[in-house]
Amino acid sequence: DVKVTQSSRYLVKRTGEKVFLECVQDMDHENMFWYRQDPGLGLRLIYFSYDVKMKEKGDIPEGYSVSREKKERFSLILESASTNQTSMYLCASSFPGLAGGPSTDTQYFGPGTRLTVL
Amino acid sequence: GDSVTQMEGPVTLSEEAFLTINCTYTATGYPSLFWYVQYPGEGLQLLLKATKADDKGSNKGFEATYRKETTSFHLEKGSVQVSDSAVYFCALLNAGGTSYGKLTFGQGTILTVHP
Repeated sequence: DVKVTQSSRYLVKRTGEKVFLECVQDMDHENMFWYRQDPGLGLRLIYFSYDVKMKEKGDIPEGYSVSREKKERFSLILESASTNQTSMYLCASSFPGLAGGPSTDTQYFGPGTRLTVL
Repeated sequence: GDSVTQMEGPVTLSEEAFLTINCTYTATGYPSLFWYVQYPGEGLQLLLKATKADDKGSNKGFEATYRKETTSFHLEKGSVQVSDSAVYFCALLNAGGTSYGKLTFGQGTILTVHP
C-alpha cells in the first residue's frame, strides 16, 4: 500500500513565525503536491514538484515556498505565517505519465496537518 | 480554466436510502474524473475513477459514469450505511492542460447517514 505521511496532525503557530510542514511518501513517486483545504472551497493546489529540486507554482502559491531535496520528501514552508493561512494542509504523491508525458495516475493523500495561526 | 461543481450539501439520509451526489465539470480536452472520500479526521482516499467517456467507475457499492455529452460524473449508491458518512469530493485531472496531472476539485459534499 502507498503510504504518505505528514509530520504533524495538529500545529499551532503565532503570526510571523516560520513554519515547516513535512511530507514523506514511500512509493518512489516522482510527483508530489501540496494542497490546502478550506470549507466550501474544496482543495486548492499550492505547489507541486515533478522531480528532485524541481517545483512549480499551483493556483495559490503566495505566502508559501517548497523544498524537495530528496525524492521521498516534499516540504511546505510558510515564510511568515499569517492568520489567513489557518487551514488543513494535505500532501499527495503520484507517478508521472508514461514516457515523460502527462500523468493521469491516481494521487495518494496523506492524513493532513491542521494548522492554526494565532 | 478547468472547474468542477458539486451539488451543495450537506446531505442527510437514513440508512438504506438511495444516494446521488451530482457533479458537473468544465474542461478542455479529455480529462480523467475521480471521486475521493474523506472520513472524519483522515486524509482523502480514492473512491473510484473513470478515464474516458462512458466508463463506469465502481467501488464499495458506489458507482459513477463518465458522461461527456452532459459533462457529468454523478456519484450513486443504492443503499447507504452509517459508515458512509464522510465528505465526498469530485475531481478532474486534465493531462491535456498542464503536464503534471494537476487535480481540480469540487467544493465537497458532506454526507451524514442516520441509523
